[in-house]
Amino acid sequence: DARVTQTPRHKVTEMGQEVTMRCQPILGHNTVFWYRQTMMQGLELLAYFRNRAPLDDSGMPKDRFSAEMPDATLATLKIQPSEPRDSAVYFCASASGRYEQYFGPGTRLTVT
Amino acid sequence: GEDVEQSLFLSVREGDSSVINCTYTDSSSTYLYWYKQEPGAGLQLLTYIFSNMDMKQDQRLTVLLNKKDKHLSLRIADTQTGDSAIYFCALDRNYQLIWGAGTKLIIKP
Repeated sequence: DARVTQTPRHKVTEMGQEVTMRCQPILGHNTVFWYRQTMMQGLELLAYFRNRAPLDDSGMPKDRFSAEMPDATLATLKIQPSEPRDSAVYFCASASGRYEQYFGPGTRLTVT
Repeated sequence: GEDVEQSLFLSVREGDSSVINCTYTDSSSTYLYWYKQEPGAGLQLLTYIFSNMDMKQDQRLTVLLNKKDKHLSLRIADTQTGDSAIYFCALDRNYQLIWGAGTKLIIKP
């Protein structure tokens, strides 16, 4: 049963600390998306990659957020330094080309 | 840019049909999707329709696409308590999805 996995599922950290979230896309999927979901803003696209190359990261605050795909089986989203306003659920999704996206269970981040 | 609009809430009685609506402005998408998000979970693909189709049925789910009016709907027959969730419509655009804000489906006993 192929699925997207994300770690950690929950993260509580203090303001100013570095946070790294990881995603393993479905094997064979070549497109990976990072989303953030909050009550106020809903679902926001932060960045996405195709064949490991970043295609669009315009939704991401550049000064503190960075996204990478070190290899085809791992995508990372890093926040440094974290701030309370970064508290949200962060989702990774993968897709095969332009077709439907499959979401991971999310990482619930709380920054105090 | 693309606008995709949904009502924020829909309340229906258990056993009735639910109809969740979505309107959009740009009609160049090839695929149109419905996703379901249960509390505390990720988004789950429910169904999709190809843009050259008017209707697609999958068990209790019926998707209707009116391209002239730029209107997409999801009908859930015999709504059950397990259908309580937020339902998102999404349209594909250049390898991305353009998302509606989601409709929270509330089931009344």
